Parts: sequence; C-alpha cells; structure tokens
Amino acid sequence: EVQLVESGGGLVQPGGSLRLSCAASGFTFSTYWMAWVRHAPGKGLEWVANLNKDESEKHYVGSVKGRFTISRDNAKSSLYLQMNNLRADDTAVYYCVTYRIMAAITDWGQGTLVTVS
Amino acid sequence: EIVLTQSPGTLSLSPGERATLSCRASQSISSSQLAWYQQKPGQTPRLLIYGTSTRATGIPDRFSGSGSGTDFTLTISRLEPEDFAVYYCQHHGSSFGQGTKLEIK
Repeated sequence: EVQLVESGGGLVQPGGSLRLSCAASGFTFSTYWMAWVRHAPGKGLEWVANLNKDESEKHYVGSVKGRFTISRDNAKSSLYLQMNNLRADDTAVYYCVTYRIMAAITDWGQGTLVTVS
Repeated sequence: EIVLTQSPGTLSLSPGERATLSCRASQSISSSQLAWYQQKPGQTPRLLIYGTSTRATGIPDRFSGSGSGTDFTLTISRLEPEDFAVYYCQHHGSSFGQGTKLEIK
C-alpha cells in the first residue's frame, strides 16, 4: 500500500522559513515523479512544484519561484519542500503527491498545515 | 502557462440526474495530459479520469471523460448521493482548474 506521510508544517511569521518532508513507502519511490500540491482555506487546489526521479527537472508555480525549492532523497524515499520568505497567501494544507500514472496524481498524503501569520 | 477554466462554478442537481462538467484550456493541449479529480469535504482528492477518458482503478462506469484540443468534459450519467463533491480538472500533472462544486438540489 502506498503511503505518503508529510511533516514539518506549523505556524510561522511572514518572511520566515519552513522545511516540509514527506516519507514515502509502498512503491518504488526512485522511479516516479513527485510533487507538492496545496489547498488554501476556501480555495481550490494549487499545484506548487514537481520534480523527476533524478532531480534533473524541477518545475514551480510562478508565485513560489525563487522562494521554494523542491528536492528528494531517493535513498531515504523522501521528498522535501524548502519554503523561504513565506507570505500570508502561502497558508494552506500542503500535500505530498506522486504520479504513478503519466500526468496524473495517483496518491496523496494526508497533508500538513502551514500557517503564515 | 496553460490556464484551465471550469464551468459552471456550482452545479445543483438531484440524484439520478446527469451531470456535465466543463474544463476549457487557454490553448490546445494533448488529450493524454488531462485528468479529473473528485474531492469530498475532509478528504484528499481522488483520481477519477486520466488521459481525458480513461477511468482510474475502481471508478464506476457512470463517470466518463471526453474532449480534445481546448474543451474537455466530465460526465456523470446518473448521480448517486456520494457523487456530490468538488471536481477539478488538471493539465499535465500541474495546473488545476478552479473547481466545480456539485451540490444536491
């Protein structure tokens, strides 16, 4: 069974930093693209960033470029999101997700709440 | 960057009725790169359809997807009570539409 367990969320002041982590199990982590998706209160889903299996490709939504960095450690089956210079509009539940089907998110973690205030 | 626009924002229907949800892309996209998700309150989203028209594992056949170019559609043939939720389209595993809320009339 695929499991994605996020951690690292919390309350942070504007301008602060957080590092989210995602521990993956139940599938061959090193062979799949991974991503972070967020869901702000009262809003829709927003894709934040993704990366391929060897980190040679990374993509970000415009609003986080230059502030967020996605990375992975295949040896640890872990995904990370370093978030710097956080703003109030970054407040959301952040989900770790994987694409086990091309161009479609097949699995979601339970999410970790980031509150910037 | 491709922008997806979903319509309507809210759709009010009764169980047993047919639901048609639209997703329009700001430019032509490959049919292989369009997916649909369902999200119920307090739950994580669930993949319904990928590659425009392929149902994900375990998805009932009352859900179907179609379209090409810039216009895509999710159809639920006969609504069941558990189908009332928010539906999102997504392009290439990245940008989402803003969602359509399907509510009970």
